[in-house]
Amino acid sequence: NAGVTQTPKFQVLKTGQSMTLQCAQDMNHEYMSWYRQDPGMGLRLIHYSVGAGITDQGEVPNGYNVSRSTTEDFPLRLLSAAPSQTSVYFCASSYQSRVVTQYFGPGTRLLVL
Amino acid sequence: GQQVMQIPQYQHVQEGEDFTTYCNSSTTLSNIQWYKQRPGGHPVFLIQLVKSGEVKKQKRLTFQFGEAKKNSSLHITATQTTDVGTYFCAPLNSGGSNYKLTFGKGTLLTVNP
Repeated sequence: NAGVTQTPKFQVLKTGQSMTLQCAQDMNHEYMSWYRQDPGMGLRLIHYSVGAGITDQGEVPNGYNVSRSTTEDFPLRLLSAAPSQTSVYFCASSYQSRVVTQYFGPGTRLLVL
Repeated sequence: GQQVMQIPQYQHVQEGEDFTTYCNSSTTLSNIQWYKQRPGGHPVFLIQLVKSGEVKKQKRLTFQFGEAKKNSSLHITATQTTDVGTYFCAPLNSGGSNYKLTFGKGTLLTVNP
C-alpha cells in the first residue's frame, strides 16, 4: 500500500491564483481530513469527510473548498490564494475502530506571494 | 474545538538526559492521542490513552493520563538523537469524534549529541 499520498510536494502561487491540492489513500479509510501547519500553531483542521459525498468544516475552513466523490480521493481547493494561506498542508485518513489512528500524508508546502 | 495547553514549547537536552512534555486541559477528556513529527516529516501516531490514571510504555517512552483525565504527559528516558522532533498531543472531549482531531501546539525537542 502507498498509504496517503499528496501532490504536489511544493507549490508557489501568486495572490489570487487558484489551485487544487491532491490527496489520495489506498487503505479504504472512511475518514479523511485536511490540516494546515504553521510555525508555533500546531496542526489546525481545515475540512474533514466521514465518507464519500459527506464533508464538513473544521477550525479554519475559510478560503478552502473540499469535495469527496470517491472513498480514495479528497482534494483541497484554494479558490483565490492569499499570502495568509502560506503553510504546510497535511492530508490524513483514518477508519472506524476502537483506536482511530490518523495516517498522515507527506505534506504539501505552499508559498503564496 | 478542544483547547489544550502543551508545555514546554521548546526543550533542548543533552543526549542521555530525560525529557517530559505535558498536555493540560481545563475540561475532562474522553481520551488523548500522542503523535511525533520528525523535522521535515509528517505526524506519526504513537499511542492513545483512554482510562483514568493509565500508564503505557513504549521502550524509553512513558505515557500517562491523569486521574481526572484533564492532563497527560510523555516522558522520554535517556534521550537519543533519534528522539528529535515535535511531540503533539491530540485530546478528545466526551462525545467527540476521533476522526476530527484537534492538536496541541506541540513541544519541539532537540538533542545535543
